[in-house]
Amino acid sequence: GQNIDQPTEMTATEGAIVQINCTYQTSGFNGLFWYQQHAGEAPTFLSYNVLDGLEEKGRFSSFLSRSKGYSYLLLKELQMKDSASYLCAVRDRVNQGGKLIFGQGTELSVKP
Amino acid sequence: DVKVTQSSRYLVKRTGEKVFLECVQDMDHENMFWYRQDPGLGLRLIYFSYDVKMKEKGDIPEGYSVSREKKERFSLILESASTNQTSMYLCASSLETGNQPQHFGDGTRLSIL
Repeated sequence: GQNIDQPTEMTATEGAIVQINCTYQTSGFNGLFWYQQHAGEAPTFLSYNVLDGLEEKGRFSSFLSRSKGYSYLLLKELQMKDSASYLCAVRDRVNQGGKLIFGQGTELSVKP
Repeated sequence: DVKVTQSSRYLVKRTGEKVFLECVQDMDHENMFWYRQDPGLGLRLIYFSYDVKMKEKGDIPEGYSVSREKKERFSLILESASTNQTSMYLCASSLETGNQPQHFGDGTRLSIL
């Protein structure tokens, strides 16, 4: 079956670094996406990985290991505004539609 | 800038009513999606469409139907609304190429009384 696992909640301190893990088991793989969702708002795109390795984008980085079915999102220099839910999603096929399979999200709380 | 517009932010309907949720995108995207989001269950795909008049069932299509008569518009229909369809509904669209993310609308919080 299709399964994506993330921790439900995490807490971190302002200015620190936090790593949010995601493991997946899907019938196909054509890329992994990370989204950020603030309470009451729509998810917004953060990063995309399709090849193994690290993608860096400012304070946010995302890593992928396809052989392990594993990804993480790394947030550096945490700010209070980073308090949000972080969603991991896998695109399961190459052809038409390209639907995403979402994990349940990790609720990150950043404390002063 | 990318824009996905959902017709209502909040909607209240009664059990048994036929409910229409509309979504319009202005990016000429091939793919459009309807999700519902519930606490503890995450985002669940209801239906998606990869072309005009084409549709595919997602993970939870029961009780819903969709319509895509024009490329920019994707409608979700609750044939006979029930209280267990009270939820946040999110529409998204994307280009067909693999590395393109889905862009989401602001969502419709639907309450069925």
